[in-house]
Amino acid sequence: DAKTTQPTSMDCAEGRAANLPCNHSTISGNEYVYWYRQIHSQGPQYIIHGLKNNETNEMASLIITEDRKSSTLILPHATLRDTAVYYCIVRVGDQNFVFGPGTRLSVLP
Amino acid sequence: DAGVIQSPRHEVTEMGQEVTLRCKPISGHDYLFWYRQTMMRGLELLIYFNNNVPIDDSGMPEDRFSAKMPNASFSTLKIQPSEPRDSAVYFCASSPSLGTGVSFGSGTQLSVL
Repeated sequence: DAKTTQPTSMDCAEGRAANLPCNHSTISGNEYVYWYRQIHSQGPQYIIHGLKNNETNEMASLIITEDRKSSTLILPHATLRDTAVYYCIVRVGDQNFVFGPGTRLSVLP
Repeated sequence: DAGVIQSPRHEVTEMGQEVTLRCKPISGHDYLFWYRQTMMRGLELLIYFNNNVPIDDSGMPEDRFSAKMPNASFSTLKIQPSEPRDSAVYFCASSPSLGTGVSFGSGTQLSVL
């Protein structure tokens, strides 16, 4: 798996957009970008994934740069319940998920 | 869909005792994973199964750990004998295939005294 680099922690005001960056400069052409989050005392939760194109679902949007060396997870209107550790993972389809330390997002009232 | 179900939710035991963690994957998911999470090491993959067959157990820390999947709806992770350093949260997860997102259970908080 390509290694990813994420900031250790971030703060976001409630109701504002949370933009979580991830660098994956050694990503290969067939590796997908996945995002998971883990709310305290719960198991990790799948958020979104993509290969090249930007993706959006009911939880978030994923913006992948054209060179695919970085991506941003966007929570459009962060709530207190979005406070969690967010993991960016890159992998090919037949590989397992390797979780790094992630970004601890704190949504502040 | 009840999701991945793990039991017990919490387990406290004494060093040297046998511990058995249980998991029921989501119906129809062919892959089952066991992870361990600690503050020091984060989330680590211990072992995974495909269609009840163990595929990769390279993450299992040592011979004291064993995992089985006797059928498509049940798996166990056993530690015998348990040690204080085994204290962690153990997650079970499942997925329809390796190319899709993985669904995690709520975890078992294990404390070995």
